[in-house]
Parts: sequence; structure tokens; C-alpha cells
Amino acid sequence: ILNVEQGPQSLHVQEGDSTNFTCSFPSSNFYALHWYRWETAKSPEALFVMTLNGDEKKKGRISATLNTKEGYSYLYIKGSQPEDSATYLCAPYGGATNKLIFGTGTLLAVQP
Amino acid sequence: EAGVTQFPSHSVIEKGQTVTLRCDPISGHDNLYWYRRVMGKEIKFLLHFVKESKQDESGMPNNRFLAERTGGTYSTLKVQPAELEDSGVYFCASSQPRPGWETQYFGPGTRLLVL
Repeated sequence: ILNVEQGPQSLHVQEGDSTNFTCSFPSSNFYALHWYRWETAKSPEALFVMTLNGDEKKKGRISATLNTKEGYSYLYIKGSQPEDSATYLCAPYGGATNKLIFGTGTLLAVQP
Repeated sequence: EAGVTQFPSHSVIEKGQTVTLRCDPISGHDNLYWYRRVMGKEIKFLLHFVKESKQDESGMPNNRFLAERTGGTYSTLKVQPAELEDSGVYFCASSQPRPGWETQYFGPGTRLLVL
């Protein structure tokens, strides 16, 4: 896995808005996809690990879907709150080694 | 259960000096990883230990970087001599001894600034 793209690069929304981000990756040799939430000066927090095509995972107001055939994943946040402000990172895992290949992330800012 | 801890949280050094970063993984996690994020760029893999053995060090930038994990517990990453381009956030992560898609738990990182 050589290239992971995330979009948009940054996003500003109002409290209560729902939003989504994308993560695209090469579909060949896919093994698993990780989503992390990272607030500066804190540890990146694991949100989801997704492995199967069509997977849908949910954690509170945050959910994610996975399409391994076309090489993309969506992360959705329903009813954004100021505490959701963070950088959201996706990281496919190639399987040949244990290393995660991170995208540059989507910086979300939620205005109260 | 304690999470992954890293020390120091911040380090400011001059070019040419040496810095040693430490990572204490979650107890029982055989897998330990080092990653780095340079300003404005993505988090990049540096290397992976399984217990005390280096499993993959393909991401290490050059021979100024030396990682060790004696005894298979904590790990250190030494940069000697440091250069300006080494500035960034150095993350450590650990995971349980299962192959594949196990979650990697990250520490808060060490912010290194080389002047």
C-alpha cells in the first residue's frame, strides 16, 4: 500500500451538523483499515478496525463504512459537538508487515 | 490498565546533540512500533519490534537513528547527531501478540524540536 488519501483536508461545521470524511486507498492486497481520532498533545485514539467489504461499524454518534473493492471508507459524525473537534486519521494495514500507512488526516473544527 | 507512555513529552535540542526517547508499552503487548509525524505531513512508520527483536525497520530514515528494546519491555529511540529535519512528533504504539488487524494503541508522543 503506497498512497492513502483523505478528504477534505479540513472541515469547519456548526454544532449539530452531521458530517463525513473519506479515505481512499489501493484496493489490491487489502487486509484491514483503522480509523483514529487525534487531538493534538494527546494519544491518537482508536475508533474502528474494519476488515470486510461492506463492513459498517458504529461508536456513539460516529460510524464508518468500508468498500474494499473500490478502495474507500467513509467516516460519519452525526450531530457534531465541539468535543468532536480533532484530526481523523485513516490507516490501511497491508498485511505483509504490521505497519500502518496513515493518510494526512481530516481536521474537523466544530463551532459551538 | 495503564496505556502507552512516552518520555519526555517535549524535547528541544540543538543540531548535533543527542536525544533519547523512551516508550513503555501496555503490559503484555509483544508488538511495539515507532512512528513519526513531521510538521504538516502524515504519520510515518519507523520500525516494529516483536518482543526484543526488530521485525521491520524499513522506515528508519538513516543510521543516525537507533532503536532498542532490551528485555522486550520498554524501548528507546536515540537520534545521534540530531539534524533540523528530525523535528517532529515521535509516537510509540503497542499491540497484543496477534497477527493482522489488531488495534495499535498509541502513546501521546514526544515533540522533538531541533534548533
